[in-house]
Amino acid sequence: GQQLNQSPQSMFIQEGEDVSMNCTSSSIFNTWLWYKQDPGEGPVLLIALYKAGELTSNGRLTAQFGITRKDSFLNISASIPSDVGIYFCAGQLYKAAGNKLTFGGGTRVLVKP
Amino acid sequence: DGGITQSPKYLFRKEGQNVTLSCEQNLNHDAMYWYRQDPGQGLRLIYYSQIVNDFQKGDIAEGYSVSREKKESFPLTVTSAQKNPTAFYLCASSRTGALGYTFGSGTRLTVV
Repeated sequence: GQQLNQSPQSMFIQEGEDVSMNCTSSSIFNTWLWYKQDPGEGPVLLIALYKAGELTSNGRLTAQFGITRKDSFLNISASIPSDVGIYFCAGQLYKAAGNKLTFGGGTRVLVKP
Repeated sequence: DGGITQSPKYLFRKEGQNVTLSCEQNLNHDAMYWYRQDPGQGLRLIYYSQIVNDFQKGDIAEGYSVSREKKESFPLTVTSAQKNPTAFYLCASSRTGALGYTFGSGTRLTVV
């Protein structure tokens, strides 16, 4: 099945830094979603984007829905240790069979030693 | 509080045995999904169900089976035909037409 191209695959953060990750697709989506997964847990929805060009914030998180509808990025400002985890992007089409999401491969955020 | 519950959290299976993972939701969601996650990997869809008594294969259905006899429940059976079953299994649900899923907290299956 199709997967979104998410980058970087992993990154190290230092407390206070801003970090950014993005997701690209060869096909368009109507909705982009960003999830965070803590170790040993299920993903939790962080931000949902519904319109091309939309910029949405949730606390220190900011995400944008690309104007072409084929990409999205997520920024985390002033990172803190609890930002560690795996971040997944997901695209969804309206009335997709089974309401299915297409997931990126994830960006693993780790703390700099 | 409404939510989606997976059990058990950890499961050990001997080679050649079938094992069933439980997923229950009280969100009144119509659709339910099973994903497999391998270490350092993304989520791969095993099976999904949009309505009771109906389900569809995902991208990696071989060696797995499901049933959807009740709206609230979508158990996944990992059969002996699944050659590499050790993984983290995630169940999710969504309302018809809604955007995004609610995930359970996962079951880690280990073959010993």
